[in-house]
Amino acid sequence: GDSVTQMEGPVTLSEEAFLTINCTYTATGYPSLFWYVQYPGEGLQLLLKATKADDKGSNKGFEATYRKETTSFHLEKGSVQVSDSAVYFCALLYNTDKLIFGTGTRLQVFP
Amino acid sequence: GAGVSQSPSNKVTEKGKDVELRCDPISGHTALYWYRQRLGQGLEFLIYFQGNSAPDKSGLPSDRFSAERTGESVSTLTIQRTQQEDSAVYLCASSLAGQGGHGYTFGSGTRLTVV
Repeated sequence: GDSVTQMEGPVTLSEEAFLTINCTYTATGYPSLFWYVQYPGEGLQLLLKATKADDKGSNKGFEATYRKETTSFHLEKGSVQVSDSAVYFCALLYNTDKLIFGTGTRLQVFP
Repeated sequence: GAGVSQSPSNKVTEKGKDVELRCDPISGHTALYWYRQRLGQGLEFLIYFQGNSAPDKSGLPSDRFSAERTGESVSTLTIQRTQQEDSAVYLCASSLAGQGGHGYTFGSGTRLTVV
């Protein structure tokens, strides 16, 4: 079945460091791909999305490119801030109206 | 309302008791979803409502779990004879019909602890 695999956390970085959180997927077809973020004490929020191969989603300095050849959707940010500390979830949507999520990756950014 | 509201925010219950978790979606959102997030794990899909009907309830883990939705609004997730493995955060999300993942709005969840 369809699934999403994320790198395990926590990811611990200093402020202004470069961030990569890996995400790969398995799906029979071409799903839409998403990154959601959960800040401490808050609900999940959509961070960015891409609906077809080679699309790049971007928001708040974060980017992710839909790579069909590697079935990946890695999240990147050039310079993280303390306020980016949160749990990040990769997800896919294919042929149904429900999202399939990865296990989440906790990011901790220290000043 | 302005967002998806879930209640209670925290619930501690004894093993074997029944619990009800409530979700108030955004007004006008016809699609409603329940997910479960166990400690250290990802979000597990439980059930999806379109209006008051549930076209996909494939994620409900056992017959102890049930959910209903009335008036295309409030949904209740009921867990009967709770077990310790039911301890988790239960998340509700809603969206406009047909938007799927593009328009999910999540609530803050109910943290259920079975002791």
